[in-house]
Amino acid sequence: GNSVTQMEGPVTLSEEAFLTINCTYTATGYPSLFWYVQYPGEGLQLLLKATKADDKGSNKGFEATYRKETTSFHLEKGSVQVSDSAVYFCALSSFTDKLIFGTGTRLQVFP
Amino acid sequence: DTGVSQDPRHKITKRGQNVTFRCDPISEHNRLYWYRQTLGQGPEFLTYFQNEAQLEKSRLLSDRFSAERPKGSFSTLEIQRTEQGDSAMYLCASSPRLAKTNYNEQFFGPGTRLTVL
Repeated sequence: GNSVTQMEGPVTLSEEAFLTINCTYTATGYPSLFWYVQYPGEGLQLLLKATKADDKGSNKGFEATYRKETTSFHLEKGSVQVSDSAVYFCALSSFTDKLIFGTGTRLQVFP
Repeated sequence: DTGVSQDPRHKITKRGQNVTFRCDPISEHNRLYWYRQTLGQGPEFLTYFQNEAQLEKSRLLSDRFSAERPKGSFSTLEIQRTEQGDSAMYLCASSPRLAKTNYNEQFFGPGTRLTVL
């Protein structure tokens, strides 16, 4: 079945450091891929998305590229801020449109 | 605010009691989804509706769980004879059904946190 695997956290970084959160997936067909973010005390928000191979999703300085050959969708940001501290979820959707999430990666950024 | 709303935000109940949660989707979104999120895990799909039709149910949705969307607008999720293992955050999401796209962006509500004592 379809599944998503993402790196365990927490990821602890200093402000302005480079961020990578790894995500790989298993899916039949051609899923769409997403990164959602959950800030403390808030609901899930869509951060970025990619709908086909080689697409790059980007938002708020975050980027992720849909790599079909490695079945990956790693999240990157060149310079993190304290305000980026949150839990990040990688997810995929297939033809039924339900989302399948990874377990989440907590990011902690210190000044 | 025109986002997805859920009520109540928190519910504490005793084992064996029934509980019902409500979700109001974004107006004109015809798809509505329910997910469950336990501590330290990602959300897990429970069921979804297109308008009033329930199109898919997860195996996680035991016969104690029932969901409805009677007029294709708001939805309710009822859990009968609650168990401690039902303690979780219950999330609702909605999306428009767009033609000629292979995905529908889902917008999530704040969730209902259920604690079963």
